[in-house]
Amino acid sequence: DGGITQSPKYLFRKEGQNVTLSCEQNLNHDAMYWYRQDPGQGLRLIYYSQIVNDFQKGDIAEGYSVSREKKESFPLTVTSAQKNPTAFYLCASSIWAQGMNTEAFFGQGTRLTVV
Amino acid sequence: GENVGLHLPTLSVQEGDNSIINCAYSNSASDYFIWYKQESGKGPQFIIDIRSNMDKRQGQRVTVLLNKTVKHLSLQIAATQPGDSAVYFCAETQGSWGKLQFGAGTQVVVTP
Repeated sequence: DGGITQSPKYLFRKEGQNVTLSCEQNLNHDAMYWYRQDPGQGLRLIYYSQIVNDFQKGDIAEGYSVSREKKESFPLTVTSAQKNPTAFYLCASSIWAQGMNTEAFFGQGTRLTVV
Repeated sequence: GENVGLHLPTLSVQEGDNSIINCAYSNSASDYFIWYKQESGKGPQFIIDIRSNMDKRQGQRVTVLLNKTVKHLSLQIAATQPGDSAVYFCAETQGSWGKLQFGAGTQVVVTP
């Protein structure tokens, strides 16, 4: 089945630790995104990547880092610098064709809790 | 600014009735809009999209209307079913390559 796989589904982190969330897609999509969702709120963009080895900050990039070494993978690291990391994290991917926008497909999310 | 702790607007609909969910967008340069459905604890699912050169688009039981003059988007769901209970988000693109910006969402509750 083609799709986007996020792991783990649930993640617990101690304060001061870095954690990495995995996102893999087999849709052959160029663009990948990371969003954060807090209870009762919409999605906010953390980082996005249009092509391999390139990525851009979104609206709330502070305290996060990403890499895009392979087209299929876009891992997100939540660093100790992120002051309030407890949230639901969603990864998405989309085709990119110049001059035409297309829908983004989402994974099932990772719920991160700081303990 | 950030609306921390803001409760989602809720639309309560009786089963079998039609639902209308509204969304206002702010960027007049946005040229592509998507409606997503999100069930509790899951990722958003694509429902329907519309480009700025269109006013209306229909899918299975859903219709999206776009009014560029007042920067307003709506999603109509016909004959609402219990499985339609979810949070619905509108999203718009900023920039030419499809970075999405999401609205706050509307909680739809279908009552028997």
